[in-house]
Formats: sequence, C-alpha cells, structure tokens
Amino acid sequence: NAGVTQTPKFQVLKTGQSMTLQCAQDMNHNSMYWYRQDPGMGLRLIYYSASEGTTDKGEVPNGYNVSRLNKREFSLRLESAAPSQTSVYFCASSASGNTIYFGEGSWLTVV
Amino acid sequence: GEDVEQSLFLSVREGDSSVINCTYTDSSSTYLYWYKQEPGAGLQLLTYIFSNMDMKQDQRLTVLLNKKDKHLSLRIADTQTGDSAIYFCAESRYSSASKIIFGSGTRLSIRP
Repeated sequence: NAGVTQTPKFQVLKTGQSMTLQCAQDMNHNSMYWYRQDPGMGLRLIYYSASEGTTDKGEVPNGYNVSRLNKREFSLRLESAAPSQTSVYFCASSASGNTIYFGEGSWLTVV
Repeated sequence: GEDVEQSLFLSVREGDSSVINCTYTDSSSTYLYWYKQEPGAGLQLLTYIFSNMDMKQDQRLTVLLNKKDKHLSLRIADTQTGDSAIYFCAESRYSSASKIIFGSGTRLSIRP
C-alpha cells in the first residue's frame, strides 16, 4: 500500500534552472496538495487541487505552477528556481473529508 | 489572520508524560488536529478533536481543548523513545483540508 509517493527525494538545482516534482496517490482521493516546510514556519500550502481538472492557489503560490494530470497525479513545477525556494516539499491527498495523507517529502536545495 | 503557535522544543525523560501545548487565534475553529512527523518522513495524523469536545483519549494519547482560552494540548503517557518526533498542531474552520492552518511544530526529544 504505497499511499502518496513523490519523486525525487533529493535534488540540488542551480539558480534559474527548472524542475518538476512528481506526486502520485493510489487511494482514489479527490483532493491533492503541495506544501513547503521551512524551519520554524510549519507547513505552508502552495497549491491544491480539489478535484481532477481544478487547481487553486494556496498561501505561497508565487514561483510555482501545478498540473493535475489525472486523478492520481499532481505535479509541482519550478520554472526558474531561486535560493528562496530551498525547502522540503510535501505532497498530500485527502478524500472528501479533512484528513490529509502526506508523502515522505522532497528535499530541494537551490544554489 | 489565523495563527497557530506552539513551543519549538520539549525534552522529557523516558517513562514520564509529555505535554505539548498549542494556542490558536481563530475562535471559529471547528477541527483541531495533532500530526506527528518522524525524521525523514511526512506528517502522519495522530488524532483530532471537534470544537464541541473538551477531551479525547486514544490509548496513550489525551487531547484537551480549552475553547475559551483557545488552547489545545497533547499528552503522551509513558513516553517512549519511539515518540521522538516533531508534533504539529493544526486547526481548520472548515471541513475542507485546503483550509487547515499548521503550527511550526514542537520537537520532542526523549532522554534516558
């Protein structure tokens, strides 16, 4: 039972490079989310997708784009990475209620 | 706006009880959560409580809610080394998970 799977687990980027974080869930959940976690700041919502075909901005969307490819997959793209985007990124999903299931995280460093 | 605050660190002796505290500002909060994050892993829901409840107990975990003071606590009885983790308090006014506000997390360390 994989749950929420995100790749890659670790990535180092140079400033200005682009990359996509991939996320897939096998729980048939409608909603998916991308968060970033920074020291002393808890989790902040970047984007979410309430259902297949829809995406909405969260608290900190600037510098990111997302794609809800199908019900299972929700990707996060950094078009031009900046050092301020160095963080741990978590993908998550939920069913119709408000219990969220998290992936294991992706550690991204932008130099 | 909404805010959730918790202390950053807590150290307890193995076998003692741990009490992790949290305060929130939104008086309309309906759902209050405790998540656990082990090293190198994502957050895992430990327990939650509705705002119309004062207490919830689940094995070694006891959640207390003081709605008047907007104070939430998590008590872990007989703390074990496996309880070492970061514990996040979170609240939501709505049933939608996109509206959940997380605290900064409390790192619980266990000493022998």
